[in-house]
Amino acid sequence: QVHLQESGPGLVKPSETLSLTCAVSGYSINNGYFWGWIRQPPGKGLEWIGCIYHSGSTSYNPSLRSRVTMLADTSKNHFSLKLNSVTAADTAVYYCVRFEGYSSSWSGDGFFDYWGQGILVTISS
Amino acid sequence: QSVLTQPPSVSAAPGQKVTISCSGSSSNIGNNYVSWYQQLPGTAPKLLIYDNNKRPSGIPDRFSGSKSGTSATLGITGLQTGDEADYYCGTWDSSLSGVEFGGGTRLTVL
Repeated sequence: QVHLQESGPGLVKPSETLSLTCAVSGYSINNGYFWGWIRQPPGKGLEWIGCIYHSGSTSYNPSLRSRVTMLADTSKNHFSLKLNSVTAADTAVYYCVRFEGYSSSWSGDGFFDYWGQGILVTISS
Repeated sequence: QSVLTQPPSVSAAPGQKVTISCSGSSSNIGNNYVSWYQQLPGTAPKLLIYDNNKRPSGIPDRFSGSKSGTSATLGITGLQTGDEADYYCGTWDSSLSGVEFGGGTRLTVL
């Protein structure tokens, strides 16, 4: 069974960088699939942040692209998210996910079949 | 404001059937697969339907999905109190170059 677990600081100061890691167990990220992040502000809906393939190729939400970096570490079987210059609007529960697409190249057509439990990150001084 | 429109809430009695709509356009639903996610209170979303109408292993056949043109529909029959949750549709939007979700629909089982 695939299991994803987010980790990282629960509190980040405005203008600083949010950094999260997702540890994957039950599946080697080197074997395929895209891996990504989705966030949910308190009381609001889901927002896709982006996805990464084990090779390092990425696709980001255009509205966040200038602030987002995702990396995959196949030796540790985990992947990470960095979001810089954060503001209160970035306060959300952040979920790491596995994305099943239809080819090894990104098309965006697919679905999120495994989700982590989520981690609340609050942006506040 | 999401490009996928869902009703904010729906409700029905236990044992009844309910449908949740997801309306989009040719740049999203019209030309891409739709998936649906169930988010029970205080938990992470869970995949309910993928490829418009397929159920992952373990999802009961009380849940169904369909798509017609630029709209998709999630159907739930034999409603149970345990079905009370927020439901989200999702798909790729080729104009926005991003994965998009509907605003979510809260299901209340009266």
